[in-house]
Amino acid sequence: KAGVTQTPRYLIKTRGQQVTLSCSPISGHRSVSWYQQTPGQGLQFLFEYFSETQRNKGNFPGRFSGRQFSNSRSEMNVSTLELGDSALYLCASSLDFAGGYEQYFGPGTRLTVT
Amino acid sequence: AQSVSQHNHHVILSEAASLELGCNYSYGGTVNLFWYVQYPGQHLQLLLKYFSGDPLVKGIKGFEAEFIKSKFSFNLRKPSVQWSDTAEYFCAVTPNTNAGKSTFGDGTTLTVKP
Repeated sequence: KAGVTQTPRYLIKTRGQQVTLSCSPISGHRSVSWYQQTPGQGLQFLFEYFSETQRNKGNFPGRFSGRQFSNSRSEMNVSTLELGDSALYLCASSLDFAGGYEQYFGPGTRLTVT
Repeated sequence: AQSVSQHNHHVILSEAASLELGCNYSYGGTVNLFWYVQYPGQHLQLLLKYFSGDPLVKGIKGFEAEFIKSKFSFNLRKPSVQWSDTAEYFCAVTPNTNAGKSTFGDGTTLTVKP
């Protein structure tokens, strides 16, 4: 089975712009989660989607949003980019949201905001 | 709210030395526990997981971890490290009711000297 794929892998944007990142989960996985990884804050949970519904949201401002499509693919959007949004954004998928399932991580999208 | 604490930020060992990385978590309910590894330039990979049953779990590449419920701990061990184990190691916790919302520790960077 193909793993979790994320596009693009690298992105450079300027402050004030917006960006959309894409994630394709492993085939058959219906839960998709997003995380932000920075040297200072480590891995922080952004949000989780299951069956096109956001189930959980982390402690991030409203500029961070996401959605999931009927084929389980997911996108996250960051509007009005700030320098502090520079990070590695990781997507993870799992078969279901219930306990007893593990997450599989993609390679991430490296976002640099200048 | 759940939290995860990893005791060591940076560990330096010589090849063949034994490894133990500490992980403690805080959560009021039943949890699933994970150790992930991130090799330089690669994405997060699952080392091992604990859902239930035998508290001593074995993972890939000779790693094992022991869940001690009374101490809220899930320490990672390897009897003899190799240079190729140089990586960053993350402990993670998910509530048993929600596989998609992981809380990660800050990570431990392991450097193995040949």
